[in-house]
Amino acid sequence: GAVVSQHPSWVICKSGTSVKIECRSLDFQATTMFWYRQFPKQSLMLMATSNEGSKATYEQGVEKDKFLINHASLTLSTLTVTSAHPEDSSFYICSARDGGQGNTGELFFGEGSRLTVL
Amino acid sequence: AQSVTQPDIHITVSEGASLELRCNYSYGATPYLFWYVQSPGQGLQLLLKYFSGDTLVQGIKGFEAEFKRSQSSFNLRKPSVHWSDAAEYFCAVGSKAAGNKLTFGGGTRVLVKP
Repeated sequence: GAVVSQHPSWVICKSGTSVKIECRSLDFQATTMFWYRQFPKQSLMLMATSNEGSKATYEQGVEKDKFLINHASLTLSTLTVTSAHPEDSSFYICSARDGGQGNTGELFFGEGSRLTVL
Repeated sequence: AQSVTQPDIHITVSEGASLELRCNYSYGATPYLFWYVQSPGQGLQLLLKYFSGDTLVQGIKGFEAEFKRSQSSFNLRKPSVHWSDAAEYFCAVGSKAAGNKLTFGGGTRVLVKP
């Protein structure tokens, strides 16, 4: 099956710094990628939809200036947590849809990135 | 708007016993339905999916799920669980109309007793 890779898998940073998380589709072109956030022992909450070559669409309540999303190519989307604070600590998961297989609805998920802000 | 409910937060089952995880969804049109499994600190692995056709869907690791439109349900089953099945299970619903955005249920944590 299709593979989606996230990097880094975990990161620790100081409060006030910015952190970038990469999401790559390794063997397919992803016209659309989705970013989710998961708090401990909770479900996944969609943060934003990232479309290649255009601005991301953010879900209600998600600060677009806080969580910058860039989808500059068909195989890479990045999420930058700007001026991170401890409350931003979470597990961030990306997923991607294979644009070459039509609109089947199936998404492929990355391994997740755990962010800890001190 | 689409929504998903997993009524059971935790389920404990003995190894070798059968398992059924409940999932109810709310969506006006025909949804795409998915079951994912997540081990601690890991990403999500797709167990199975339903788009159309046969309402009984076979997945990986011996799992199956049945789509029942009249009950708006998509319950996951396994006849005999293994200790390695201990994990968090998420039901999700998506659709073409929603741009393939997935909405996840709250998850069910499965514990397997020896």
